[in-house]
Amino acid sequence: SQQGEEDPQALSIQEGENATMNCSYKTSINNLQWYRQNSGRGLVHLILIRSNEREKHSGRLRVTLDTSKKSSSLLITASRAADTASYFCATGRVQGAQKLVFGQGTRLTINP
Amino acid sequence: DARVTQTPRHKVTEMGQEVTMRCQPILGHNTVFWYRQTMMQGLELLAYFRNRAPLDDSGMPKDRFSAEMPDATLATLKIQPSEPRDSAVYFCASGLVQGAGNSPLHFGNGTRLTVT
Repeated sequence: SQQGEEDPQALSIQEGENATMNCSYKTSINNLQWYRQNSGRGLVHLILIRSNEREKHSGRLRVTLDTSKKSSSLLITASRAADTASYFCATGRVQGAQKLVFGQGTRLTINP
Repeated sequence: DARVTQTPRHKVTEMGQEVTMRCQPILGHNTVFWYRQTMMQGLELLAYFRNRAPLDDSGMPKDRFSAEMPDATLATLKIQPSEPRDSAVYFCASGLVQGAGNSPLHFGNGTRLTVT
């Protein structure tokens, strides 16, 4: 069963613009992770944020977490063509945190 | 650069045949996951292991699917008999979990299964 729901399902922007993707979830979590998937490949871990954290940065990535709203956002700044991929959020629940449940993903297209 | 290795990358088989997918997790990782990805259902968790012991296989159709870890370097997912609805990409992922916490997962590049 899906826990996280990404929004939007698809996003198309121009190179250089910022891309924002959102994730909502239903149950209490221990952590939330974002992954990227290029076509025909496995998922690649981007960033992990714990339930007691509100914001985390990694290079051009910024993740926020609002546990009161059960939502997270992933911001990619100064997008590049190479950022074209699907992005997934995954939640680890309080009980059994290592069991990650993935959302349906956001398909991001960066136009040159 | 350590990586999760899955074989085969592609498998085409006829309905009713047995299919075995293999995964070599990253050395030192203590958790192994099997996910199935389809357009309709997205990523579904089939089973996962910690220290080679199965912790949860509730996402797996028990009558035809089985997952094992014969040793720390090999995880297998078997389907017998296979059906067309099993067509999907099957991913293996491994991670290092300490205590009740969590860790990033490292994914293989998947096995694309087509059952005709």
